[in-house]
Amino acid sequence: DTEVTQTPKHLVMGMTNKKSLKCEQHMGHRAMYWYKQKAKKPPELMFVYSYEKLSINESVPSRFSPECPNSSLLNLHLHALQPEDSALYLCASSQREYNEKLFFGSGTQLSVL
Amino acid sequence: KQEVTQIPAALSVPEGENLVLNCSFTDSAIYNLQWFRQDPGKGLTSLLLIQSSQREQTSGRLNASLDKSSGRSTLYIAASQPGDSATYLCAVPNAGGTSYGKLTFGQGTILTVHP
Repeated sequence: DTEVTQTPKHLVMGMTNKKSLKCEQHMGHRAMYWYKQKAKKPPELMFVYSYEKLSINESVPSRFSPECPNSSLLNLHLHALQPEDSALYLCASSQREYNEKLFFGSGTQLSVL
Repeated sequence: KQEVTQIPAALSVPEGENLVLNCSFTDSAIYNLQWFRQDPGKGLTSLLLIQSSQREQTSGRLNASLDKSSGRSTLYIAASQPGDSATYLCAVPNAGGTSYGKLTFGQGTILTVHP
């Protein structure tokens, strides 16, 4: 199994809603990532978890809250988002944190109204 | 600070052509370079990863080369097909500092192969 599975594929939420994005991999990878991608731009790193501990937070606003319950799962909790947060949110994983091949999920297309 | 540039920004070719996508980076102290493909609204698929000690990697009709000293990589696609239409991104991990290991992406090349 070489897949990274993300749910949901699409999400529309209001600015007062709370929602969560989910990511799962069963490749035994110990590093997992959240990226944000705006249209026609490359992905931007948000968070990195290494061995289930938060390794990197790229100064992301607190309305985005990551969680890594175990080595196979990664969540991104969303609260009080702004319309400018609308984007494609991508999860990725790799064997270890540095200098490894990245495997991406198909993403969650998020629209904030 | 590492900067990655991809040329051309967009490319439209007829089916069957061989083509070359270019990627350049400013800091040659890299561990590897990855080429990705992205279809519209989808995630990225890793095509090839070249280690800094390698000069080339091949997968099917794809061949990627790396010249670390000159800060360049090329992705060669042989006998292009309409199914190759996508955005192609290259990325390198930062080699030091507080952003060690973080990938720096190019802006991508949008490839259209028409029948």
